[in-house]
Amino acid sequence: AQSVTQLDSQVPVFEEAPVELRCNYSSSVSVYLFWYVQYPNQGLQLLLKYLSGSTLVKGINGFEAEFNKSQTSFHLRKPSVHISDTAEYFCAVSVLGGADGLTFGKGTHLIIQP
Amino acid sequence: GAGVSQSPRYKVAKRGQDVALRCDPISGHVSLFWYQQALGQGPEFLTYFQNEAQLDKSGLPSDRFFAERPEGSVSTLKIQRTQQEDSAVYLCASSLGSGFQPQHFGDGTRLSIL
Repeated sequence: AQSVTQLDSQVPVFEEAPVELRCNYSSSVSVYLFWYVQYPNQGLQLLLKYLSGSTLVKGINGFEAEFNKSQTSFHLRKPSVHISDTAEYFCAVSVLGGADGLTFGKGTHLIIQP
Repeated sequence: GAGVSQSPRYKVAKRGQDVALRCDPISGHVSLFWYQQALGQGPEFLTYFQNEAQLDKSGLPSDRFFAERPEGSVSTLKIQRTQQEDSAVYLCASSLGSGFQPQHFGDGTRLSIL
């Protein structure tokens, strides 16, 4: 079985500062990796995904993530955050060739301070 | 609308009552997923359909939970004899196909059991 660990439950950051949200996964087989964002009382919106190829992937809203196979990590970064980035961020994996359900981490609440 | 639609958005029921939650996926999406999101947690996989076939129901927490998608489009998640621990947000997602296709989420149904 696979698992996802998001080490930080909350990350406070000042507006226009850079941010990194950490994600580590565990799996005995190859996985696809995803980052989703959830605004209050809404469903999840896909930020970006890693399927194969270049380990640096760019997503919407200026976010990017880097897949590191040796460290089994997929950290999310943004060089300059805005108030509108305040939300819950979830890292998720799905197993190649396996059941297609996503396994999510517990989420990181990004708090942007003016 | 173009997105995944879930109804009702909010549902309050007394312990022991049966409830039914509806999901309208994006038109043409073959795959449909149900997730349960407890307060402050990441979504947890419940079940997966490919067209009308339920291919994975390993995440359903008990035999009180039942899901169907009889015509390969709209899906219903039914919970019988509800318990307080069933209180959660139930998210539905749909995708074009297999694991590398991103899942598109609805806004969820918030279920409260009194």
